[in-house]
Amino acid sequence: DVKVTQSSRYLVKRTGEKVFLECVQDMDHENMFWYRQDPGLGLRLIYFSYDVKMKEKGDIPEGYSVSREKKERFSLILESASTNQTSMYLCASAFYRGKTGELFFGEGSRLTVL
Amino acid sequence: GESVGLHLPTLSVQEGDNSIINCAYSNSASDYFIWYKQESGKGPQFIIDIRSNMDKRQGQRVTVLLNKTVKHLSLQIAATQPGDSAVYFCAENELSSGTYKYIFGTGTRLKVLA
Repeated sequence: DVKVTQSSRYLVKRTGEKVFLECVQDMDHENMFWYRQDPGLGLRLIYFSYDVKMKEKGDIPEGYSVSREKKERFSLILESASTNQTSMYLCASAFYRGKTGELFFGEGSRLTVL
Repeated sequence: GESVGLHLPTLSVQEGDNSIINCAYSNSASDYFIWYKQESGKGPQFIIDIRSNMDKRQGQRVTVLLNKTVKHLSLQIAATQPGDSAVYFCAENELSSGTYKYIFGTGTRLKVLA
């Protein structure tokens, strides 16, 4: 079974702190994604990557950056956390067969910024 | 911009009845759709997918219907069980920077009444 592991389930940080959210997948997938999930807004795409060292902005990249130094690992970075970044963060990976390919999600990282 | 949306934020269904969850999409170029189920405290899990060259696909107790004319997607769950209680999301694929990203709807909460 595909496994997407997010390093932290719950984090509490202070405004201005630098935050790293780590994600590792074990199925050699080329594509990896970071979403944030907020009530009533669904899942919104922050960044995605289709290869090592490649990254693309999603719909809400402001205030975030990402790193993909190895194929299996995709990190989300909040350079200076703010209270409006309190959210559930979901990592996903996918292998596309042409146009189609299921997204496999991790269990999520709930971040609270005080 | 184009988006995927759901008609009903909450759906309450009697145990044993059939459930129908609806989704409207606006990107006519999307040709692959997925339904996800998210239980409390967990990441979204794949339920069923459908390509645009189909109008119906069946799985175990679930059926997805696609109406491209009105850009509408639905998920039907037969004989709804307590374990079906969750938030359900539809997602459509979108070509971006040579790869595909997924746009999610806001979600519908399904409550199964005993």
